[in-house]
Amino acid sequence: DIQMTQSPSTLSASVGDRVTITCRASQSVSIWLAWFQQKPGKVPRLLIFKASTLHSGVPSRFSGSGSGQEFTLTISSLQPDDFATYYCQQYSSYSQVTFGQGTKVDI
Amino acid sequence: EVQLVESGGSLVRPGGSLRLSCTASGFTFDDYGMSWVRQAPGKGLEWVAGINWDDDKIDYADSVKGRFTISRDNAKKSLYLEMNSLRAEDTALYHCARGIGSSDFWGQGTMVTVSS
Repeated sequence: DIQMTQSPSTLSASVGDRVTITCRASQSVSIWLAWFQQKPGKVPRLLIFKASTLHSGVPSRFSGSGSGQEFTLTISSLQPDDFATYYCQQYSSYSQVTFGQGTKVDI
Repeated sequence: EVQLVESGGSLVRPGGSLRLSCTASGFTFDDYGMSWVRQAPGKGLEWVAGINWDDDKIDYADSVKGRFTISRDNAKKSLYLEMNSLRAEDTALYHCARGIGSSDFWGQGTMVTVSS
């Protein structure tokens, strides 16, 4: 199965910062990469699919890029509501979808 | 409004079995593949199993292959997860999610605890 590695595992940032999270796949996943946001006690929220397509209702300060094995999630100006854990997910092989280990963004 | 409601979670002894259910509403269920995703306490997300709209493609994470079975009943708008030979490491909150990847709707989950 395809392994997904996120970096960093934890990120300390301030409101207004530009934040970038990286996700690397153990083999090419083309553009079949999604990003989720999860807050404590809440279900994951889809932010981006197909590597760079913003899901409906997601603020434009979130953006995704990359293809193949390397991807990034960027938050252009961190807002108080953005402090959360972020997960990448590959779904290139129809079988065995896999998540990264998560990146916690805190103050 | 899209809703996914899971049920069936409980405390079970190692080696035991459990059947989880997920009832969908607010969308055309048989237009979508569906997944089960779990999250152990304090841990990350783990995709468990997925099934496409007509049962034609089904697959599992290696960690559950041979022990868990995913199925669906489109007439009842329901998704199921049959779990056998349960282990302590299966303890988690189990969510059903719309879609096999890039799931846009998730249920609140049902808790499975495997302990003696």
